[in-house]
Amino acid sequence: QQQVKQSPQSLIVQKGGISIINCAYENTAFDYFPWYQQFPGKGPALLIAIRPDVSEKKEGRFTISFNKSAKQFSLHIMDSQPGDSATYFCAANPSGTASKLTFGTGTRLQVTL
Amino acid sequence: GAVVSQHPSRVICKSGTSVKIECRSLDFQATTMFWYRQFPKQSLMLMATSNEGSKATYEQGVEKDKFLINHASLTLSTLTVTSAHPEDSSFYICSARVAGNEKLFFGSGTQLSVL
Repeated sequence: QQQVKQSPQSLIVQKGGISIINCAYENTAFDYFPWYQQFPGKGPALLIAIRPDVSEKKEGRFTISFNKSAKQFSLHIMDSQPGDSATYFCAANPSGTASKLTFGTGTRLQVTL
Repeated sequence: GAVVSQHPSRVICKSGTSVKIECRSLDFQATTMFWYRQFPKQSLMLMATSNEGSKATYEQGVEKDKFLINHASLTLSTLTVTSAHPEDSSFYICSARVAGNEKLFFGSGTQLSVL
């Protein structure tokens, strides 16, 4: 019940295209859903996050779509650029600042020219 | 965003030696810090939760005597890998949470190679 399932495992997108990464969860106590971007040899960086009271959140080229009834959320990267090539992790945790994040398995995104 | 500094970024040591990794929150106080381990092309595996002034809470399967965690101040947590062996070679990452905020900020990681 603590799992967050992420897909696809890897993704190749042409420059200018839309990258879509999906995550699903089971634990209904989760109420905070961040996405992290990780470059090789670096720690993850917080990209964007959403809470279940909204269905969509957009920051620049990055959008999170959230479907509470389906217990799914996704990251959309618009106008994908080669610099977006990285590994992306979704995560979730229940309320409470001391709670631990549960991470998805990661998606390796490659944006080609 | 908040900055978490992790040092060293890379360390190579001989089998049997101990290695200390530092994690500092530079511009905020972190009552809670987390230590993760990441194998190549895999997700982050939580090792332990470190609370300032108290003993760390270790995840199941993580040897507390091997991975010593100290969180002596609101801005510093350390992970010491004791008597390191080649199987301890991994990427170790710390993270810190701003007090009263759910956002989690990560250090840049430490690549440990045990020969």
